[in-house]
Amino acid sequence: EPEVTQTPSHQVTQMGQEVILRCVPISNHLYFYWYRQILGQKVEFLVSFYNNEISEKSEIFDDQFSVERPDGSNFTLKIRSTKLEDSAMYFCASKVWGTLSYNEQFFGPGTRLTVL
Amino acid sequence: SQQGEEDPQALSIQEGENATMNCSYKTSINNLQWYRQNSGRGLVHLILIRSNEREKHSGRLRVTLDTSKKSSSLLITASRAADTASYFCATDQSSGNTGKLIFGQGTTLQVKP
Repeated sequence: EPEVTQTPSHQVTQMGQEVILRCVPISNHLYFYWYRQILGQKVEFLVSFYNNEISEKSEIFDDQFSVERPDGSNFTLKIRSTKLEDSAMYFCASKVWGTLSYNEQFFGPGTRLTVL
Repeated sequence: SQQGEEDPQALSIQEGENATMNCSYKTSINNLQWYRQNSGRGLVHLILIRSNEREKHSGRLRVTLDTSKKSSSLLITASRAADTASYFCATDQSSGNTGKLIFGQGTTLQVKP
């Protein structure tokens, strides 16, 4: 069964460093998402991406964040200068098509980011 | 505004019993989805119910949706120890069809063998 994959599973970085989190969405999906979950808290939407551009972003997704689909399969989230409060589990998700939004999103296993 | 607030926050039952979790939301939605998360792991999609549907079944899962009350419930019948996890409802209320999901705080379910 097709699934969303994410690498790495755990990333440890120093404050101020840049990190890139990688995701491979399900191959025939067209909408891509990043969410994050701070330990013990709920899952929060960061950004949605369609047709090679951001379609919506949250207040969390400030200038330190960027997303890219560099080729036909990968979808990346970059944090330019990490802060302690960026420590969280980051989930990538994808879904088939967007019209009427009547379809489910499939999530990857997550990347746990620890900023020291 | 907060979407997808679940109750109870925690639920502990014996194996074989039914577990019911509730979710409330505040704005109109396109659909509502339920996810399961085992401790420290990813989100597993359980079921999606559209705004024009009232009830949906999938195996031991039954989901209801009452758009007039802006609420949904997830019923797990004949629970098993393996059902122990956190359960989240997530609403898709994006007017621009971007499909972003707004998650609730979740219900932590413990099923004792």
